[in-house]
Amino acid sequence: ETGVTQSPTHLIKTRGQQVTLRCSSQSGHNTVSWYQQALGQGPQFIFQYYREEENGRGNFPPRFSGLQFPNYSSELNVNALELDDSALYLCASRPADQLGEQYFGPGTRLTVT
Amino acid sequence: QKEVEQDPGPLSVPEGAIVSLNCTYSNSAFQYFMWYRQYSRKGPELLMYTYSSGNKEDGRFTAQVDKSSKYISLFIRDSQPSDSATYLCAMRLNNAGNMLTFGGGTRLMVKP
Repeated sequence: ETGVTQSPTHLIKTRGQQVTLRCSSQSGHNTVSWYQQALGQGPQFIFQYYREEENGRGNFPPRFSGLQFPNYSSELNVNALELDDSALYLCASRPADQLGEQYFGPGTRLTVT
Repeated sequence: QKEVEQDPGPLSVPEGAIVSLNCTYSNSAFQYFMWYRQYSRKGPELLMYTYSSGNKEDGRFTAQVDKSSKYISLFIRDSQPSDSATYLCAMRLNNAGNMLTFGGGTRLMVKP
């Protein structure tokens, strides 16, 4: 168990809709990052948050946005869904003062039809 | 060309075999190197974490980093059917926070 939980497990949306995915980290894990993993590929970094502020973003458009809350939970929001957004979305977290690497949640599988 | 390359497999071995998994990369600035194991429809699980060059051993797993060749390896001794999964290598720059760059993963099948 990594202590990182995500909800929902699966969901199906229609092209053009908006979606919110949720992540809950362990107490003290004040850095969180989100990744997109298409089928058969490695995860791709979307963005990271530290102390409720975005402080790094990968090659993803602005319609991917996020929030981090003081209770170590976070959200990934995707607007104007496209078919290519179908993927496993992973949340990962770690304490800011830990030199070791981050731990991933089980992911949310999003299907866009 | 991708920044981190990994043979997708599948790699099929008999139980008890020594498995060698590899990644090559192009960015010489990567400093942190990780191996994750991912079972089907699950999140990646951290196996090994190494800083800079050298070897690290943990039970049946050994990670090697050769920065001069931009090449990292994961060896699994006495492989078990439960090791059947996709293995992902990942790398990080020194001041990149949580930003990992992953390979595409190698699917491993260990047959009883």
